[in-house]
Amino acid sequence: DTGVSQNPRHKITKRGQNVTFRCDPISEHNRLYWYRQTLGQGPEFLTYFQNEAQLEKSRLLSDRFSAERPKGSFSTLEIQRTEQGDSAMYLCASSPASLGNEKLFFGSGTQLSVL
Amino acid sequence: RKEVEQDPGPFNVPEGATVAFNCTYSNSASQSFFWYRQDCRKEPKLLMSVYSSGNEDGRFTAQLNRASQYISLLIRDSKLSDSATYLCAVNSFSGNTPLVFGKGTRLSVIA
Repeated sequence: DTGVSQNPRHKITKRGQNVTFRCDPISEHNRLYWYRQTLGQGPEFLTYFQNEAQLEKSRLLSDRFSAERPKGSFSTLEIQRTEQGDSAMYLCASSPASLGNEKLFFGSGTQLSVL
Repeated sequence: RKEVEQDPGPFNVPEGATVAFNCTYSNSASQSFFWYRQDCRKEPKLLMSVYSSGNEDGRFTAQLNRASQYISLLIRDSKLSDSATYLCAVNSFSGNTPLVFGKGTRLSVIA
């Protein structure tokens, strides 16, 4: 399968714990995006990378959130000191730079539940 | 005013019906427009891009109205398998800013 891969699919954690999610984009895609989606809402942009450079961060991304893409391939999203309000589906998407973000290919997401 | 707005629905239509959704956007500088389909508990998938001249893909037709700042999606001859949430997405400068999504419009096609 050469699509966008996200791990884990589900994560249940207690409030105050740290969690880390991983995203493996389609191999030839330069751009990688993180979105968050809650029930009844559309995906909300969090941050994106072109290769290893983080180009933009939403104000939704508090200082408890950090994302990396160290070698321009896979990316990790870490949430420190999780809060119940962090419960959501975290979606990763990638696209080739030649198309900008015109065609985003999403992974299946990581469903986070903070108890 | 939200950047991208959609009627959340649900739209409940019988098989074979024609249904249309609109999506309004607030940024007149928006350049690129898309419709995504999202099935329950699945990731969004690109359904079609929306071009200034309008475009058609089988039973689906997308149109852009820049003057009134909205895009539309028309589905003809609805199938049960069309039941899903339809998300519109917009970006301001093609290729250089992240897509902004609407909340989605839920469609249920009923036998």
